[in-house]
Amino acid sequence: DAGITQSPRHKVTETGTPVTLRCHQTENHRYMYWYRQDPGHGLRLIHYSYGVKDTDKGEVSDGYSVSRSKTEDFLLTLESATSSQTSVYFCAISEVGAGEKLFFGSGTQLSVL
Amino acid sequence: DAKTTQPPSMDCAEGRAANLPCNHSTISGNEYVYWYRQIHSQGPQYIIHGLKNNETNEMASLIITEDRKSSTLILPHATLRDTAVYYCIVKDYGGSQGNLIFGKGTKLSVKP
Repeated sequence: DAGITQSPRHKVTETGTPVTLRCHQTENHRYMYWYRQDPGHGLRLIHYSYGVKDTDKGEVSDGYSVSRSKTEDFLLTLESATSSQTSVYFCAISEVGAGEKLFFGSGTQLSVL
Repeated sequence: DAKTTQPPSMDCAEGRAANLPCNHSTISGNEYVYWYRQIHSQGPQYIIHGLKNNETNEMASLIITEDRKSSTLILPHATLRDTAVYYCIVKDYGGSQGNLIFGKGTKLSVKP
């Protein structure tokens, strides 16, 4: 998986609790992304980062925040998880000048009960 | 909405070439064609991309028609491990970084 580690791989939590997902890369790539995948919707971009402390919103950013304090780590936080955020979350990375050639992690299955 | 149209499913015999079509009749001049695949429960995997010339790498070949309105991904010798959902995506190079629109794709089943 191109040096991308997502943690945890599986998580079950309750509505209203905060949740943080971590993406760690060893490739020193500049760009990092968080996607979610749901049946009937395909993959959708939540947030992305183009450098340390530089982030921007994607298509479905409501209810999510991100932080990137180091090149290698990109955190996705659900401040107060809702059942609609039950999904599979994928992290991806890409390098400057690589266009849309993304490398994806193995995913985190999140269930909000 | 995805700017591409792909058949929902295809079968291919192991060892034979798999030819996956994609229609992108509204593609604009600065948009590339990207192909990804997703093997069950794994993250998507980049395969290949091109602008107007045919491209080949160690995984596949990409044939783009002269008018760029359609393309074909070719897996020359399909194996059982190539069973996956294949996504054809059109995207301008670098614009709206990473905001790929994955449609429903084509579910390719490689059979022994």
